[in-house]
Amino acid sequence: SQTIHQWPATLVQPVGSPLSLECTVEGTSNPNLYWYRQAAGRGLQLLFYSVGIGQISSEVPQNLSASRPQDRQFILSSKKLLLSDSGFYLCAWSVSASANYGYTFGSGTRLTVV
Amino acid sequence: SQQGEEDPQALSIQEGENATMNCSYKTSINNLQWYRQNSGRGLVHLILIRSNEREKHSGRLRVTLDTSKKSSSLLITASRAADTASYFCATRMTTDSWGKLQFGAGTQVVVTP
Repeated sequence: SQTIHQWPATLVQPVGSPLSLECTVEGTSNPNLYWYRQAAGRGLQLLFYSVGIGQISSEVPQNLSASRPQDRQFILSSKKLLLSDSGFYLCAWSVSASANYGYTFGSGTRLTVV
Repeated sequence: SQQGEEDPQALSIQEGENATMNCSYKTSINNLQWYRQNSGRGLVHLILIRSNEREKHSGRLRVTLDTSKKSSSLLITASRAADTASYFCATRMTTDSWGKLQFGAGTQVVVTP
């Protein structure tokens, strides 16, 4: 069965510090991968998506970047965090871009920038 | 910008009652999906309805889709305290080639025992 792992679960970081959030998927190959951010009480904002190794697309200009060094690994990074980067970060995967499949989400990372 | 907008923003009901929430969207879609999110957790996929479908059932869930009105509804019958969660609709637009979903702001449902 397919599983998705996301860590850490919570993180408190000072402004200006770097960030690295990791997401890995097991039990499938060549998944589509997505990073979303959710502000408190709000919907989800798509940050990055990837359809293959090294193929990253950004939805919004911001202080963050993403990388996919391996087929089932998706990393969200920042060189210098801003207060506005606080939020709940969710990684998700789907089977195929062209089929009618839903997403499977990780359990999320609660990031607080202080 | 958000493609989907849920209504109401919050809903409070008693156990055993039905809960209905609606979702409106702006552009043509391939499919519409509903997700549940328990507090502080990831989202869980509930049901997907394709643009050529009008109604779909899964257990106590019933989803309708009206593409002419660009709207969908999610009905939870005989609600339970465990149904307390936020519910999100998400749409995959016809113009999208990468499987991206656009999420609404969600409906927060509280089911009181």
